[in-house]
Amino acid sequence: AQTIHQWPVAEIKAVGSPLSLGCTIKGKSSPNLYWYWQATGGTLQQLFYSITVGQVESVVQLNLSASRPKDDQFILSTEKLLLSHSGFYLCAWSPGQANSDYTFGSGTRLLVI
Amino acid sequence: KTQVEQSPQSLVVRQGENCVLQCNYSVTPDNHLRWFKQDTGKGLVSLTVLVHENDKTSNGRYSATLDKDAKHSTLHITATLLDDTATYICVVGDRGSALGRLHFGAGTQLIVIP
Repeated sequence: AQTIHQWPVAEIKAVGSPLSLGCTIKGKSSPNLYWYWQATGGTLQQLFYSITVGQVESVVQLNLSASRPKDDQFILSTEKLLLSHSGFYLCAWSPGQANSDYTFGSGTRLLVI
Repeated sequence: KTQVEQSPQSLVVRQGENCVLQCNYSVTPDNHLRWFKQDTGKGLVSLTVLVHENDKTSNGRYSATLDKDAKHSTLHITATLLDDTATYICVVGDRGSALGRLHFGAGTQLIVIP
């Protein structure tokens, strides 16, 4: 069975500090991977997607970057956090076939102060 | 500009009652439509995906319809349970592949009371 794990579960960080959020998928080779962000009280937005190792496409950047260093790992990061980065970050994967299911992680809640 | 509108914004029902959630969208092209359930502070759980014009799906107590001409979908929940309390999110995909983008509604907050 496939599993998706996000870390950390929650973070409180200072403005200007770096950030690294992780996502790991086990039990599925070559998944499509996605990062989404939801501001408090807001609507989910797609940030990045990756269909293969080393390749990441940006949808909405928000002064963030993403990388896929391994087939099963997707990293979201920034060197300098902004207050506007606060919110809920979700990672997801899909098998890649047309209209296949999306499976979401449990999310990381980030508060920037 | 909001491309996926959900109504009502919130809904309170008594356990055992049925309810209907609405989704109207303007996303073009509209390859498929998905309904997700999101518990507070948690990830999304897929309920159903609709692809074709006039598609109807059923997943236990959840059933959904899609009218692509009207760009409208409904999610029906029958015999609600307390555990159905959550936010239900309508999502429209503009392509069937990973190259497509998912467009999210703001969700309908459903509260089921005893």
